[in-house]
Amino acid sequence: DAKTTQPNSMESNEEEPVHLPCNHSTISGTDYIHWYRQLPSQGPEYVIHGLTSNVNNRMASLAIAEDRKSSTLILHRATLRDAAVYYCILRSWPLGFGNEKLTFGTGTRLTIIP
Amino acid sequence: NAGVMQNPRHLVRRRGQEARLRCSPVKGHSHVYWYRQLPEEGLKFMVYLQKENIIDESGMPKERFSAEFPKEGPSILRIQQVVRGDSAAYFCASSPEQQGTNYGYTFGSGTRLTVV
Repeated sequence: DAKTTQPNSMESNEEEPVHLPCNHSTISGTDYIHWYRQLPSQGPEYVIHGLTSNVNNRMASLAIAEDRKSSTLILHRATLRDAAVYYCILRSWPLGFGNEKLTFGTGTRLTIIP
Repeated sequence: NAGVMQNPRHLVRRRGQEARLRCSPVKGHSHVYWYRQLPEEGLKFMVYLQKENIIDESGMPKERFSAEFPKEGPSILRIQQVVRGDSAAYFCASSPEQQGTNYGYTFGSGTRLTVV
């Protein structure tokens, strides 16, 4: 799977939007962009994924650049419960031997300031 | 709650003992993945299993570690003769067999192994 680059840490004020960037300049045409987050002392939690078009769900929005070399996870109104490490992961499709697993990087540690 | 269940949540073992970590996937899921997270580090893939088969064990240490996912019952990650360096959080994830779309995995809350 292609590599992603994320800032090590970010801070945001409570109740404000948060934009978490991810660069993936070597993404291939069949790579999906997945986001997971890991709250303290918890396992990772799926947030959202997309291929080309922007995606929205109850947790967040995913904005994908037109050239797909970067994406941004958007939390519309951050709460203290959103403090976590956020991982941007590329996953090639279709699945076959070797690409079923998710490869986690170091992610972005998001701190929410009350 | 139909999520991934891992037990025990915390496990303490003395050096040289065996550790057995259990993972019950989401009901209906037949694929299981084990990850290890050392303190202050990221998650590292260990092994991917389907029912009764190991599909990818490229992240498993060559010695002392083994995993199984029997036809009946939970998946087991077994660590023999534990050493202090095995102290970590071990996470299990599951996914269904039919993957008609590219979706997310469901992770458990992990087992925190401490070797003393």
